[in-house]
Amino acid sequence: DAGVTQSPTHLIKTRGQQVTLRCSPKSGHDTVSWYQQALGQGPQFIFQYYEEEERQRGNFPDRFSGHQFPNYSSELNVNALLLGDSALYLCASSKGDSDEAFFGQGTRLTVV
Amino acid sequence: GQQLNQSPQSMFIQEGEDVSMNCTSSSIFNTWLWYKQDPGEGPVLLIALYKAGELTSNGRLTAQFGITRKDSFLNISASIPSDVGIYFCAGRDAGGTSYGKLTFGQGTILTVHP
Repeated sequence: DAGVTQSPTHLIKTRGQQVTLRCSPKSGHDTVSWYQQALGQGPQFIFQYYEEEERQRGNFPDRFSGHQFPNYSSELNVNALLLGDSALYLCASSKGDSDEAFFGQGTRLTVV
Repeated sequence: GQQLNQSPQSMFIQEGEDVSMNCTSSSIFNTWLWYKQDPGEGPVLLIALYKAGELTSNGRLTAQFGITRKDSFLNISASIPSDVGIYFCAGRDAGGTSYGKLTFGQGTILTVHP
């Protein structure tokens, strides 16, 4: 049973560029959430997708956008990258209304 | 915004000792979760709690949902070297706009000396 998978695992981008991160949810899950984890901090909620729509959003600017596909996989897009966007980006999947979120291994984004 | 205060920030213990950590919130929570994160990995769900006063075990781990619904604690009994890692509490508050959103604590770094 495949868990949550994310790609790529590491990424280096230049300030001002755009980046797309990808996530495949755990088998049987239909809800995908994205979190940003800065070094030494707990994960911060970015947004959640369900039925291909953004259901909930945290305190992140519009530069952060996402998408969910019919197969429940998801993308996180970040435009106009800032140095402060350097972090571990975590994708979590869950089933329906469940709060039990299962995380992928994350994508380490470095902005230089 | 919502904040969770997790303590202690770090713990250094001997193998075989018991460990206790806790988490408090500024508002009422409907769900409490405890996760463990190893270096370079995503958090792994350990225990989920849904009712005030609920006490749930998972092997050597025991967690409780506080009666006030504003706190939770995690105990690890007879610690072993593989318990090393960062433990996070997380929860969903009872506010109507929090649906689907988990708030995380700052983490407790656990070191176990053999």
